[in-house]
Amino acid sequence: DAKTTQPNSMESNEEEPVHLPCNHSTISGTDYIHWYRQLPSQGPEYVIHGLTSNVNNRMASLAIAEDRKSSTLILHRATLRDAAVYYCILRGFYSGGGADGLTFGKGTHLIIQP
Amino acid sequence: DTEVTQTPKHLVMGMTNKKSLKCEQHMGHRAMYWYKQKAKKPPELMFVYSYEKLSINESVPSRFSPECPNSSLLNLHLHALQPEDSALYLCASSQDSTGDTEAFFGQGTRLTVV
Repeated sequence: DAKTTQPNSMESNEEEPVHLPCNHSTISGTDYIHWYRQLPSQGPEYVIHGLTSNVNNRMASLAIAEDRKSSTLILHRATLRDAAVYYCILRGFYSGGGADGLTFGKGTHLIIQP
Repeated sequence: DTEVTQTPKHLVMGMTNKKSLKCEQHMGHRAMYWYKQKAKKPPELMFVYSYEKLSINESVPSRFSPECPNSSLLNLHLHALQPEDSALYLCASSQDSTGDTEAFFGQGTRLTVV
């Protein structure tokens, strides 16, 4: 599986934007970039995913480098409820009924200061 | 309904007991997953079911036995566990197991083996 590298932790202030980086230099052409987060004592929660183009949804934006070897998750205005571990995961495409699980790395522990 | 429901939420079992964890989803998803998560560690993939067939077994000991009776239900049968198997067990589902699908996670079953 292609691997991702994320900083162990990041700190930001409430109501400010947060940029969470992820490096994935061995990404293959068919790997999707997924982001999940896990709040304390909860199961992981889907945030966003993309292949090549930048993506926006109600939770966040995903900026993907042109060479796809890195990506950045952007939280536009962090709140205390965004404090969580954020995981960047590559998910491959399997045709013909194949299967792939999400393989979690260590993730980035995001701390939000009031 | 975008929920993955896991029961029980907490389970304490002895090393000679047999118990089962249950996971249910009604989103029509055809891929389901079991993960194990130890404290302060990322989730580790255990099993993947795709269209009710076991697709991935990540070299999990045979004291863990998965079962997918139908497309909505996933069980994890536990027998002769060890104290080191104490962890949060997470279930997830996705429309299929290709890269372009998001996964939904349950809140987990916190298992303690005594």
